[in-house]
Amino acid sequence: RKEVEQDPGPFNVPEGATVAFNCTYSNSASQSFFWYRQDCRKEPKLLMSVYSSGNEDGRFTAQLNRASQYISLLIRDSKLSDSATYLCVVNGGDSSASKIIFGSGTRLSIRP
Amino acid sequence: DAGVIQSPRHEVTEMGQEVTLRCKPISGHDYLFWYRQTMMRGLELLIYFNNNVPIDDSGMPEDRFSAKMPNASFSTLKIQPSEPRDSAVYFCASRERGTAEAFFGQGTRLTVV
Repeated sequence: RKEVEQDPGPFNVPEGATVAFNCTYSNSASQSFFWYRQDCRKEPKLLMSVYSSGNEDGRFTAQLNRASQYISLLIRDSKLSDSATYLCVVNGGDSSASKIIFGSGTRLSIRP
Repeated sequence: DAGVIQSPRHEVTEMGQEVTLRCKPISGHDYLFWYRQTMMRGLELLIYFNNNVPIDDSGMPEDRFSAKMPNASFSTLKIQPSEPRDSAVYFCASRERGTAEAFFGQGTRLTVV
């Protein structure tokens, strides 16, 4: 089983729609969680951290469910510029806490 | 700071040749990570260093792969001999101790023919 699993998509939604992605992780000792964004042929970049209480950054909301070991990302009022691959990221947990593990990513395409 | 710098940006080589990828992390960052990205397998962690010391190389696919970090400002990933299945984008990333964000270089696109 992969340490971090995501639905690869693609998600193809109209501009203005709300879209949500989920991600599951296998190591219950993981403590840090993030969403990264990767544009085509570019490097991944941090989108937002995910906090236990949930957090919001403009149109983006991230949630963490430790009991079920999943992380979610919600994008409201989607824009054409949101088209990208979204990568779920967790740390290794315990003795490998500094290890950063990426999911395979979920592709999002916003159509006009 | 110029960010994480990788070279070369593109590399095309013949099967059996040695390939060396280079990375300069952001100055002051304690952690350096090497990743490989393919369509089939996504972004895989190969190895990471803390203060120039390899911490976890369990992701290195086989003995043909080796990585070094001789000082805080330079790391290499070497493949010898290279094979067509090594074709991928190789990313280097660095992170400062106590912070969350890993900063990536622009990657090296490797093609082995």
